[in-house]
Amino acid sequence: EAEVAQSPRYKITEKSQAVAFWCDPISGHATLYWYRQILGQGPELLVQFQDESVVDDSQLPKDRFSAERLKGVDSTLKIQPAELGDSAMYLCASSFHNTEAFFGQGTRLTVV
Amino acid sequence: GENVEQHPSTLSVQEGDSAVIKCTYSDSASNYFPWYKQELGKGPQLIIDIRSNVGEKKDQRIAVTLNKTAKHFSLHITETQPEDSAVYFCAASPSSNTGKLIFGQGTTLQVKP
Repeated sequence: EAEVAQSPRYKITEKSQAVAFWCDPISGHATLYWYRQILGQGPELLVQFQDESVVDDSQLPKDRFSAERLKGVDSTLKIQPAELGDSAMYLCASSFHNTEAFFGQGTRLTVV
Repeated sequence: GENVEQHPSTLSVQEGDSAVIKCTYSDSASNYFPWYKQELGKGPQLIIDIRSNVGEKKDQRIAVTLNKTAKHFSLHITETQPEDSAVYFCAASPSSNTGKLIFGQGTTLQVKP
């Protein structure tokens, strides 16, 4: 069964350091999403791509977060510099033309 | 913008009993309502969804109902099993963009053997 792949699964980083997460969506899925899930809460959308273009990044803290999907396939989410409040699960999801979204296993980030 | 409220936050049932989780949404333009199950340390898994042109949908032991007038939708799990224990999230999509989801706060379901 096709899955959304994310790496790393876990990441511990020090405050003020840079950190990056990678996502490979299900093959053929043009739409890719990055969500952030704080412990005990529901996921919140950070950024949405349609192919290589950003469709919605209204909730992305652009002073420290950046996201790219250069070839319209896999994607990278970066945080620089990381802050204590960035500790969360970062989830990637993909969908095929406005159908249901499938999530990856996520990257658990801990900032110390 | 859209806001989704989910209740209860925790639910404990005996194996074999039914479980019901309820959500309300604020944006009448929302037209897609999925439910996700999230096990500890894993990503959310889609278990069932419903669109605004349908009032009810069923898949084996799981069903979802939608009341557009009242702007609420519910998840019903019958004959619960210990493996149903997880956190369940409802969500609403405020447009035809079905991946842009506004999630509820989650319900932790415990099924006791």
